Amino acid sequence: AQSVAQPEDQVNVAEGNPLTVKCTYSVSGNPYLFWYVQYPNRGLQFLLKYITGDNLVKGSYGFEAEFNKSQTSFHLKKPSALVSDSALYFCAVRGYGSSNTGKLIFGQGTTLQVKP
Amino acid sequence: GAVVSQHPSRVICKSGTSVKIECRSLDFQATTMFWYRQFPKKSLMLMATSNEGSKATYEQGVEKDKFLINHASLTLSTLTVTSAHPEDSSFYICSAPGQGTRNEQFFGPGTRLTVL
Repeated sequence: AQSVAQPEDQVNVAEGNPLTVKCTYSVSGNPYLFWYVQYPNRGLQFLLKYITGDNLVKGSYGFEAEFNKSQTSFHLKKPSALVSDSALYFCAVRGYGSSNTGKLIFGQGTTLQVKP
Repeated sequence: GAVVSQHPSRVICKSGTSVKIECRSLDFQATTMFWYRQFPKKSLMLMATSNEGSKATYEQGVEKDKFLINHASLTLSTLTVTSAHPEDSSFYICSAPGQGTRNEQFFGPGTRLTVL
């Protein structure tokens, strides 16, 4: 079965400090991994994706994520957090199989709270 | 970038009425669109896959007669919540995949449905 886990409901970090939002996945083949951010009462905005290539992926707004195949992880990181980064973050993996093609399987979501 | 719109952004209706939500891909064609339901501070639950020119594919546990989906054209999918009840109140989000098999999905801004 394909799944994504975000073990933390909430991450709190002080402005200017580095942040990490954790994500682990389980898929039967090569994973296509995504991070999305959602602000209150808004749709999801794409941050970055890993398909193939370099394990360190750089995305929007200074975010990056590191693909680790041995640990089946795809943690989201940012060197210096901003208050405006406070939002709900989702990790997702693309589904495999004819009945799952195109579908995204989402993690539970992690609320990031950046305090001034 | 690809843009997906939803209309209306929020709707309040009386119990027993039907509500139609539109999802449009503004600058690209989408033979497939996805409909999600999101509860407060929770992950997205995939409801169904909307297929242009054929019947929608519903996820397990989603009532087909309750949530009617019509993919009228390559740029429009509609979700109709029939005989709405207060428990149908939620945030409904649609998405459409970009061109190619590896591209991320583009999400609409969501529709907040409140059933009184």
